[in-house]
Amino acid sequence: GESVGLHLPTLSVQEGDNSIINCAYSNSASDYFIWYKQESGKGPQFIIDIRSNMDKRQGQRVTVLLNKTVKHLSLQIAATQPGDSAVYFCAENSGGFQKLVFGTGTRLLVSP
Amino acid sequence: NAGVTQTPKFRILKIGQSMTLQCTQDMNHNYMYWYRQDPGMGLKLIYYSVGAGITDKGEVPNGYNVSRSTTEDFPLRLELAAPSQTSVYFCASSYSVSQSDEKLFFGSGTQLSVL
Repeated sequence: GESVGLHLPTLSVQEGDNSIINCAYSNSASDYFIWYKQESGKGPQFIIDIRSNMDKRQGQRVTVLLNKTVKHLSLQIAATQPGDSAVYFCAENSGGFQKLVFGTGTRLLVSP
Repeated sequence: NAGVTQTPKFRILKIGQSMTLQCTQDMNHNYMYWYRQDPGMGLKLIYYSVGAGITDKGEVPNGYNVSRSTTEDFPLRLELAAPSQTSVYFCASSYSVSQSDEKLFFGSGTQLSVL
């Protein structure tokens, strides 16, 4: 929505750079993690997910890393493009759809 | 497939008015959800449904009601609008029957202002 992101942390990168967006999660019992991308005026869009029995998972130009020891999740975007500009947020699930907890998000700005 | 469709996209209400936010999905998903998104906050679950005829409260249900008469439709009702309900509302659906594997498909949102 248009009002999302007024007070969000922002990561500014140049086109072609690699971007790393971080997320700290709260529940050590969470066993499933998701990254979403939200463009202005649109709903969140699924990017990539990872289960707690994995440390790393790769998609097309994106990689998610999970560090359970420090409860940290990161999203790496390779060769960032202007079309990657959006708000990115993570979600964790400790069991059951009603247990899905969303983070507040990070705004990624990509300059040509 | 159109996916998840929400209407309206924008709405301004006066305090005390009522309205229904419409949501429909054409993916034959059993699970449907309503979230609200406030500035600087994560998505908060209002209500959810695991199938036609079954609904349950989420984290922030007060001031809202839902119904699920068909698999496709999951309208959200605001009976007495209050300024605290100013937010962006997202409807979502999912197909997974797993307890933890939840890929949600979201609509484009309804931006609601209560003045």
